[in-house]
Amino acid sequence: DGGITQSPKYLFRKEGQNVTLSCEQNLNHDAMYWYRQDPGQGLRLIYYSQIVNDFQKGDIAEGYSVSREKKESFPLTVTSAQKNPTAFYLCASSIRDRGDYGYTFGSGTRLTVV
Amino acid sequence: GESVGLHLPTLSVQEGDNSIINCAYSNSASDYFIWYKQESGKGPQFIIDIRSNMDKRQGQRVTVLLNKTVKHLSLQIAATQPGDSAVYFCAVLSGSARQLTFGSGTQLTVLP
Repeated sequence: DGGITQSPKYLFRKEGQNVTLSCEQNLNHDAMYWYRQDPGQGLRLIYYSQIVNDFQKGDIAEGYSVSREKKESFPLTVTSAQKNPTAFYLCASSIRDRGDYGYTFGSGTRLTVV
Repeated sequence: GESVGLHLPTLSVQEGDNSIINCAYSNSASDYFIWYKQESGKGPQFIIDIRSNMDKRQGQRVTVLLNKTVKHLSLQIAATQPGDSAVYFCAVLSGSARQLTFGSGTQLTVLP
């Protein structure tokens, strides 16, 4: 079955540590997105990529970094510069470089600072 | 830019009743609208969509209504069931970037 796989499901980070969240899709989608979700809030865009080897900052990119070396993969690194990283992170993809056909979401990674 | 808001952050309904979740958007040029359902600890799942050339679309137990005059979108769930308990988001597509803007979500609780 095609879909988006996020791993790990739960991730714990120590203060000052960088961590990387994985997002892989086998839908042959062109565009991929990373969102952050805090309790009781909507989805805030961190980064997005419309094509391999290219990506753009979203609304809250500070303290995060991404890469898009393969069409299928769009990993997100939460760096030590992100002062409040505890949140639920969602990866999504869309069939083309725009959202006219909606987004497909992964099951999320819950990141907690310990 | 686009801003999307939901009218109520929480909604409680009795099992078997109909539910109505509302959403307002700001950009009159918005042309594609989606409702997502998110269960606790999971990613959002597509429920139903509608394009701006329509004002109503029906799925299985769900209906989306679009009022472009007042820039309002609603999701109606018929005969609400316990499995419908979740957070519901509307998403709106507009602008040259063609990206979705999400509302903050309404938590639907189904009471026995």
